[in-house]
Amino acid sequence: QSALTQPPSASGSPGQSVTISCTGTSSDIGSYNYVSWYQQHPGKAPKLMIYEVTQRPSGVPDRFSGSKSGNTASLTVSGLQAEDEADYYCCSYAGINNYVVFGGGTKLTVL
Amino acid sequence: EVQLLESGGGLAQPGGSLRLSCAASGFTFSSFVMSWVRQAPGKGLEWVSAISAGGGSTNYADSVKGRFTISRDNSKNTLYLQMNSLRDEDTAVYFCAKDPRSTSTRGVFDFWGQGSLVTVSS
Repeated sequence: QSALTQPPSASGSPGQSVTISCTGTSSDIGSYNYVSWYQQHPGKAPKLMIYEVTQRPSGVPDRFSGSKSGNTASLTVSGLQAEDEADYYCCSYAGINNYVVFGGGTKLTVL
Repeated sequence: EVQLLESGGGLAQPGGSLRLSCAASGFTFSSFVMSWVRQAPGKGLEWVSAISAGGGSTNYADSVKGRFTISRDNSKNTLYLQMNSLRDEDTAVYFCAKDPRSTSTRGVFDFWGQGSLVTVSS
């Protein structure tokens, strides 16, 4: 079960937009529309932000959006706010043998 | 309100055993897949194991297969993780997580516990 590849860091100023990429393979992201994204503040449990590539759970601001092209998924945060500063992890279903794989995480800094 | 409360973490020696529990409330526990996800200190998330709503189907990451056993008691609304033959690399915070599906996980974890720290060291 190989981890998905994310950039270690990303940043943006308040009000700007930032996009975090998540690259997998044809065995995970490329084969299934089961990509989810999690936000984790220091010392806290992860929080589901996006599921099934583009879906937002109730209560998640519409500033958060997801997309996918081929083997790469992306999370876009628009109108950056200070509270968006956190670690973000992508996750994908990888079939009945590998099940679930996470990315290594991206630390988002709001400048 | 959905609540997941892990317990049972602590210090274990290499080769030793530990059992984690996760007490669930605020939802119909017996209707949903449950998973364990871990996070080594300063590292990223790693999915460990999942169990179907009824308990009849289990899945494991290769890193724990044959050493860890996931189970659930729907009458007690409790999820378990029996960890045997522990290794240094099993040191992590272990989160239990609820899935919105009933049969098998697709990596969507809509509610998480606060985690239980397991330290494997001699």
